[in-house]
Amino acid sequence: AQSVTQLDSQVPVFEEAPVELRCNYSSSVSVYLFWYVQYPNQGLQLLLKYLSGSTLVKGINGFEAEFNKSQTSFHLRKPSVHISDTAEYFCAVRSNTGGFKTIFGAGTRLFVKA
Amino acid sequence: EAGVVQSPRYKIIEKKQPVAFWCNPISGHNTLYWYLQNLGQGPELLIRYENEEAVDDSQLPKDRFSAERLKGVDSTLKIQPAELGDSAVYLCASSSQVNTEAFFGQGTRLTVV
Repeated sequence: AQSVTQLDSQVPVFEEAPVELRCNYSSSVSVYLFWYVQYPNQGLQLLLKYLSGSTLVKGINGFEAEFNKSQTSFHLRKPSVHISDTAEYFCAVRSNTGGFKTIFGAGTRLFVKA
Repeated sequence: EAGVVQSPRYKIIEKKQPVAFWCNPISGHNTLYWYLQNLGQGPELLIRYENEEAVDDSQLPKDRFSAERLKGVDSTLKIQPAELGDSAVYLCASSSQVNTEAFFGQGTRLTVV
């Protein structure tokens, strides 16, 4: 069985400041990892993904994430946020064997203040 | 390339009434998903299709929910009868293969009164 924990339900930050959104997962098998963003009244949009290879993954809109297998974490970072980054961010884990079931975290609300 | 299209965007119905949601996936995507998203939570899988076959419907409440994907393209999710607790956003997603990322539609926000 897999699970995903997003450690912060809300993260307020000032514009141009750096931000880190934390995600921890548990799984008995190897996994793929994803971060999605959801703007109000919209569906989810993929920010980045880790399938294999380099543990530092770069995505759209200046976001990046680092896969840490020993700590079972996949934290999302951006060095300088914009007002337009205000949204809900979801971490997701998918097993890469068997049923390929994807589990989403509860989400982190990023609120960028001017 | 057109994305995943869902309709309607919003639906308000009275409890005990039936309701249906429609999804058109990205062309060529064999895998289709229906997710339920409650307020303040992440999406939860209801059903996954590989072409016409429902390969994972373990989380679908089959007493009132049904889904179909005729011809392996469009899909319809139905609730009959709807209950107050069904108020949520219903998201459809598709992927080219089961082990790649999913692309999401804008969702249907259902309100049951």
